[in-house]
Amino acid sequence: DARVTQTPRHKVTEMGQEVTMRCQPILGHNTVFWYRQTMMQGLELLAYFRNRAPLDDSGMPKDRFSAEMPDATLATLKIQPSEPRDSAVYFCASGPGAANLAAFFGQGTRLTVV
Amino acid sequence: DQQVKQNSPSLSVQEGRISILNCDYTNSMFDYFLWYKKYPAEGPTFLISISSIKDKNEDGRFTVFLNKSAKHLSLHIVPSQPGDSAVYFCAALRNSGNTPLVFGKGTRLSVIA
Repeated sequence: DARVTQTPRHKVTEMGQEVTMRCQPILGHNTVFWYRQTMMQGLELLAYFRNRAPLDDSGMPKDRFSAEMPDATLATLKIQPSEPRDSAVYFCASGPGAANLAAFFGQGTRLTVV
Repeated sequence: DQQVKQNSPSLSVQEGRISILNCDYTNSMFDYFLWYKKYPAEGPTFLISISSIKDKNEDGRFTVFLNKSAKHLSLHIVPSQPGDSAVYFCAALRNSGNTPLVFGKGTRLSVIA
C-alpha cells in the first residue's frame, strides 16, 4: 500500500529552536509538495519540487524556512528559528506528474511552537 | 487573494439526503479541478476530479459538476452517509502550466443520522 510518510507526526518546540520535518514520497512520484494548514488560510502551498528541483518556494518565508530534496526518497522542510506563528499542520504530498494530476498527502506533522 | 473560494465553512445534512458542496474560482486559466476529503488527524485524500472539457463526472455516490461560464463547481453526495462527515476541499490547477494545486479553505460536512 503506497503512501506518503511524514515524520514526526507531532512536534512541540520552544521559540527560536530549529525544526526539521521529513517526508518520504511515494516511490516513482516525481513531484513533491509542502503545504501548511491553518485555520485562517486553509491549505497554503509552501514549496514544490519536480524531479528534485525546486520549482516554486514563493509561499515560504525565506528568512526562516528552507526546503530541500537530498534524494528522490526524502524531502525536508526546515524552520530556523521557529516562531509561535509557525504553529500549524504541515503536509507533504507527492504526485506522479502528467500521468495523474492528483496529489497524494501524508498524514501531516502537527507543529506547536511555544 | 483567494483564487479558489468555498464560501460555506460548514454544512449539515441528514443521512440519506443529498449533500451539495460549492466552490467558486476566479482564475480562468484553471483547467482541472479536484475534490479532497479530510478526516481529523489525517491528510487530505483525493476523492474525484473533473477536466474543464467536461461538465460532469460521476463516481458512485459522488458527482462533480462544472459550470465554466460561472466559474463554479459543485460536489454532490447522494445518498449522504455518516461516514461522509469530514472537511471537503476544492482544488484547482493549470495543467498546461504544470502548476501545483490551489486549494479553497474547505467546508465541514456533518451528516446527521
